Amino acid sequence: DVKVTQSSRYLVKRTGEKVFLECVQDMDHENMFWYRQDPGLGLRLIYFSYDVKMKEKGDIPEGYSVSREKKERFSLILESASTNQTSMYLCASSPTRTENTEAFFGQGTRLTVV
Amino acid sequence: AQTVTQSQPEMSVQEAETVTLSCTYDTSESDYYLFWYKQPPSRQMILVIRQEAYKQQNATENRFSVNFQKAAKSFSLKISDSQLGDAAMYFCAYRRYNNNDMRFGAGTRLTVKP
Repeated sequence: DVKVTQSSRYLVKRTGEKVFLECVQDMDHENMFWYRQDPGLGLRLIYFSYDVKMKEKGDIPEGYSVSREKKERFSLILESASTNQTSMYLCASSPTRTENTEAFFGQGTRLTVV
Repeated sequence: AQTVTQSQPEMSVQEAETVTLSCTYDTSESDYYLFWYKQPPSRQMILVIRQEAYKQQNATENRFSVNFQKAAKSFSLKISDSQLGDAAMYFCAYRRYNNNDMRFGAGTRLTVKP
């Protein structure tokens, strides 16, 4: 089974802190994604990466950056956490194929910024 | 950007009955994929069913089936013989052919009454 693992299930950070959310997948997938999930807004794409060291902005990249130094790991960075970044963060991965491939998700990190 | 709309924030169904969740999407593409994901309280996103836009036949997976209306850009999910374990958030998602990022709707919270 594909496994996508996020480093923390719950996280509490202070305003202004630099925050790292880590995600690791074990299926050699080329693509990795970071989504933010908020009630009434669904999942919104923050960034995605289709290869090592490659990244693309999603719909809401402001206040976030990402790092992909190895194929299996994709990190989301909040340079200076703010209270409006309190949310659920979901990591996902998928293979690069043109057929009907799904995305596989981690269990989510609920981040609270105080 | 493509948008996905789920107009029902909440739905409820009696156990053993049938319920239909709605999803519409906006795209100018002719080739794409559509998905329904389930997110139970555990927060783990699980793929329920998928549909290729070039296939006219509606996808089915056991008690889950879709009504795919390409011209109307509609992709509803029907759950038959509802079970208590079907209670969850359900997300509709869209992915363009030969493109790797997936876009989600706001979700529908399904309650199953015993």
